[in-house]
Amino acid sequence: EIVLTQSPGTLSLSPGERATLSCRATESVTNDYLAWYQQKPGQAPRLLIYAASSRATGIPVRFSGSGSGTDFTLTISRLEPEDFAVYYCQQYGSPPQTFGQGTKVEIK
Amino acid sequence: QVHLQESGPGLVKPSETLSLTCTVSGGSITSSYWSWIRQPPGKGLECIGYIYHSGITNYNPSLKSRVTVSLDTSKKQFSLRLTSVTAADTAVYYCARDFGRDWGQGTLVTVSS
Repeated sequence: EIVLTQSPGTLSLSPGERATLSCRATESVTNDYLAWYQQKPGQAPRLLIYAASSRATGIPVRFSGSGSGTDFTLTISRLEPEDFAVYYCQQYGSPPQTFGQGTKVEIK
Repeated sequence: QVHLQESGPGLVKPSETLSLTCTVSGGSITSSYWSWIRQPPGKGLECIGYIYHSGITNYNPSLKSRVTVSLDTSKKQFSLRLTSVTAADTAVYYCARDFGRDWGQGTLVTVSS
């Protein structure tokens, strides 16, 4: 199974700053089928990015995804107050689908 | 927008079977595959398995011996059965469309006597 490692574990930033989250896979993700989710306490995850770089419906343009193969990045260009949350990456190209352990973006 | 809603018991005894149903509305159940994902309290996400409208299933190898996912297209529902549960199966269980395009709100299932 493909193991996804997210870094850093916690990112402490201020509103308006840029956030860069990393997701690294133990082997190449088939078709770059890599998704990013945002999860807030008590809520289900929300799809932000799929296929590495495609924004899901209704997702603000400040969220962008990049990368291919084994290295992927989620960038939030300017953090809004509502962006402080936990972010997960997921590969869905090879069964079993797997998730990273999450990166918490907290207010500095 | 597809809407998904989980239903089922919130408490299951150890060694018994966990059964959940997800009802789909606002979209076709034959146009996607349908997933179950869980999240133990305070921990990360784990894919349990999924089913295509053809009936073909795919399960996480770590759970495969205990899991069954089924689909009832006439009722626009799909279901999860997890046998021989232990405390380690306590989690919020989510149903989702495809790999996670849309999610249910989740339901907490506690395994305890």
